[in-house]
Amino acid sequence: LAKTTQPISMDSYEGQEVNITCSHNNIATNDYITWYQQFPSQGPRFIIQGYKTKVTNEVASLFIPADRKSSTLSLPRVSLSDTAVYYCLVGGWGTASKLTFGTGTRLQVTL
Amino acid sequence: DAGVTQSPTHLIKTRGQHVTLRCSPISGHKSVSWYQQVLGQGPQFIFQYYEKEERGRGNFPDRFSARQFPNYSSELNVNALLLGDSALYLCASSLEAGQLGPQHFGDGTRLSIL
Repeated sequence: LAKTTQPISMDSYEGQEVNITCSHNNIATNDYITWYQQFPSQGPRFIIQGYKTKVTNEVASLFIPADRKSSTLSLPRVSLSDTAVYYCLVGGWGTASKLTFGTGTRLQVTL
Repeated sequence: DAGVTQSPTHLIKTRGQHVTLRCSPISGHKSVSWYQQVLGQGPQFIFQYYEKEERGRGNFPDRFSARQFPNYSSELNVNALLLGDSALYLCASSLEAGQLGPQHFGDGTRLSIL
């Protein structure tokens, strides 16, 4: 069961780049790393997913080192609307796998 | 297109009662997963169903059960409710279960146990 650890909270100013790191020391070979964003009273929303190296989409980048024991979500030029809780999820489908959300990082963006 | 819909949005029950929560996945999605989110914590995996078969189960007691119907909608049942079952119950749907792809979450059912 892959356990994840994230910082509890982070603060940023609008327009800055924010990097949130997730530790997952016992990640399994068939596990993927997925990040979600959650606003109050809403379900989580998918941001990005990767297996190794770097993945980029229109809203974020995901950096995964060769040992895959950690990952970093990078949000370029954050705005006030990026204030939310960000979760790191490690897991894969299969009878031996369990889906594990991290503790979540509460990002506060201010002017 | 409609997203994942869950009903009811809020529910109040008393200890010992039974509850049924419902979820309709995005059209075309065959996999449905259920999560429990206690206030201040991350979602905890309860079940995953794909093509009406259970594909994964988290560390929850047997009081929790679920099923998926031919139209891919799903129900989560909880028996003998405890105060600790108070939480936001989230349903998520995805295209497949064979590989962990993006899951699309509903906004949940807020269950309060008195």
